[in-house]
Amino acid sequence: QVQLQESGPGLVKPSQTLSLTCTVSGDPLTSGGYFWSWIRQHPGKGLEWIGYSYYSGTSYYHPSLKSRVAISVDTSKNEFSLKLTSVTAADTAVYFCASHRVDAGFDYWGRGTLVMVSS
Amino acid sequence: QSVLTQPPSVSGAPGQRVTISCTGSSSNIGATYDVHWYQELPGTAPKLLIYANNHRPSGVPDRFSGSRSGTSASLAISGLQAEDEADYYCQSYDSLSGPVVFGGGTKLTVL
Repeated sequence: QVQLQESGPGLVKPSQTLSLTCTVSGDPLTSGGYFWSWIRQHPGKGLEWIGYSYYSGTSYYHPSLKSRVAISVDTSKNEFSLKLTSVTAADTAVYFCASHRVDAGFDYWGRGTLVMVSS
Repeated sequence: QSVLTQPPSVSGAPGQRVTISCTGSSSNIGATYDVHWYQELPGTAPKLLIYANNHRPSGVPDRFSGSRSGTSASLAISGLQAEDEADYYCQSYDSLSGPVVFGGGTKLTVL
């Protein structure tokens, strides 16, 4: 059973970089053909996919965020990370890490971590 | 504005059957890309409810079912229970917007 756990600062200042890490346990990150995603949810709003990375390093990002987003995978630590640059208050949200396989939906999710952007 | 359109809310009495629609277009559901459904209980992470249009992951009750037709998909919940009160999201692939698009979500209220 795969488990995901987000970690990182809960408060980031405007214009700085938001950095989060998702630790994967229960299975190697390289197995099973999984894509590793970050998804966020603004307070009281719906789900917004940010992007994903495959263990090989291939990444794909939401078109509206791709100029500010980078998702990387560290197979030695069995974790993947999110960096979102030049944040504003509009980036305040609960950030989830999740995994999915092609045509199979997101079957594993972290519990989510709230990140506030404020000075 | 979500690429996939869901009704903001639906409601039903215990024991009843409700359906939640997810309307897309020719660049997503209409292109026969699979639709997945998630249940988000208050204060918890979303949970995969239906994958690939009509398949239930292990442990999901058969009260939940999914279907896809044309440019739309639907989630049906029969024998409504109080614990079904949650937000529900559809998700698919869109050839114009990217590999992952979500519907705006539907809040289910059990009366």
